[in-house]
Amino acid sequence: NAGVMQNPRHLVRRRGQEARLRCSPMKGHSHVYWYRQLPEEGLKFMVYLQKENIIDESGMPKERFSAEFPKEGPSILRIQQVVRGDSAAYFCASSPPEVGDNLLSGNTIYFGEGSWLTVV
Amino acid sequence: SQQGEEDPQALSIQEGENATMNCSYKTSINNLQWYRQNSGRGLVHLILIRSNEREKHSGRLRVTLDTSKKSSSLLITASRAADTASYFCATDAGTDSWGKLQFGSGTQVVVTP
Repeated sequence: NAGVMQNPRHLVRRRGQEARLRCSPMKGHSHVYWYRQLPEEGLKFMVYLQKENIIDESGMPKERFSAEFPKEGPSILRIQQVVRGDSAAYFCASSPPEVGDNLLSGNTIYFGEGSWLTVV
Repeated sequence: SQQGEEDPQALSIQEGENATMNCSYKTSINNLQWYRQNSGRGLVHLILIRSNEREKHSGRLRVTLDTSKKSSSLLITASRAADTASYFCATDAGTDSWGKLQFGSGTQVVVTP
């Protein structure tokens, strides 16, 4: 059972270009979360998606950032017109569907290895 | 502002010694989790402790939780060089935020042989 798969692992973009980061959740998982980690900091929540639905995007910057999780295929985090401050590691995590319905289940979410974006 | 704050920011010890790090948080939680991150890698889940639990063990790891003080500690006993990593605590805070974890800035642990 493969874990959460993210690609690319490393991405270099020039200022103004677009970055697309992909995440395939673990098999059987229908909840996906994106986090961003700036250098020397902890992870910051960005967005929570289920298939074809954005559940919580309270951590997403208002402009240039978007996320989707289509019925078929991986979840995509898209950053338009990248700036140097977007340089960070972007982590995807997934969880099984029953987790969200059981507050005290104590189940964990599973993280991918991350995508490191460098804007030059 | 961050929900979790780890203390110390960095810790350097020798193999065989114990490493203790603390985490404080601000709001009520359902669970608190500890993760490890090796440089340039993803997060590895270490242990989860529920809000109604006070202590939990997993191998060489011991986690405590004091909800009255809104704090948790992670103890790694008999440390090894392979324990060198950053350690993060993460909390969730309610029905609408499961999986929406709030991480501290981490404790960097270096274990020298």
